[in-house]
Amino acid sequence: RKEVEQDPGPFNVPEGATVAFNCTYSNSASQSFFWYRQDCRKEPKLLMSVYSSGNEDGRFTAQLNRASQYISLLIRDSKLSDSATYLCAVNMGPGGSYIPTFGRGTSLIVHP
Amino acid sequence: EAGVTQFPSHSVIEKGQTVTLRCDPISGHDNLYWYRRVMGKEIKFLLHFVKESKQDESGMPNNRFLAERTGGTYSTLKVQPAELEDSGVYFCASSPTGLKLFFGSGTQLSVL
Repeated sequence: RKEVEQDPGPFNVPEGATVAFNCTYSNSASQSFFWYRQDCRKEPKLLMSVYSSGNEDGRFTAQLNRASQYISLLIRDSKLSDSATYLCAVNMGPGGSYIPTFGRGTSLIVHP
Repeated sequence: EAGVTQFPSHSVIEKGQTVTLRCDPISGHDNLYWYRRVMGKEIKFLLHFVKESKQDESGMPNNRFLAERTGGTYSTLKVQPAELEDSGVYFCASSPTGLKLFFGSGTQLSVL
């Protein structure tokens, strides 16, 4: 089983739609969680951290479910500019490596 | 503030040749990481420096890869001799805390 798994998609949605991605992780000792965005042929850029209580940044909401070992990203009112690959990253906790480990990414295509 | 810079942006070499990639992290970031993305796969960890020390090199594929970080500043990743399977995008990232990563734009390496 991979350490961090994501549905690669693509998710193809119309402008204005709400879309959600999940990311599962295997190490229950994981402590820090992040979502990155990667545009085509560009480097990943940090989108947002994921906190235990859930957090929101504008149209983006991130949530953590420790019991089921997954994080999610919800995008409301999708824009054309949201088209990108969304990567989740998990930093393992004590007893393991603190190395940020990435999922394969979920591709989002927002069309007019 | 300057971001993470990588050089070269592209490198095309023949199997058996040597290539050296360079990464200049954000000033003051003690943590420096090398990752590699092969087409269609996840971004895979290669190694982690804290200042000039290698903290974790468990992701290095084999002894054809040698990374250094001179004086805790810039880092180089040398591949010698290069093999076809070494092709991919090599990303460098730096971080002040080891949590949120700031990526460079990557080096696209093609081994023919």
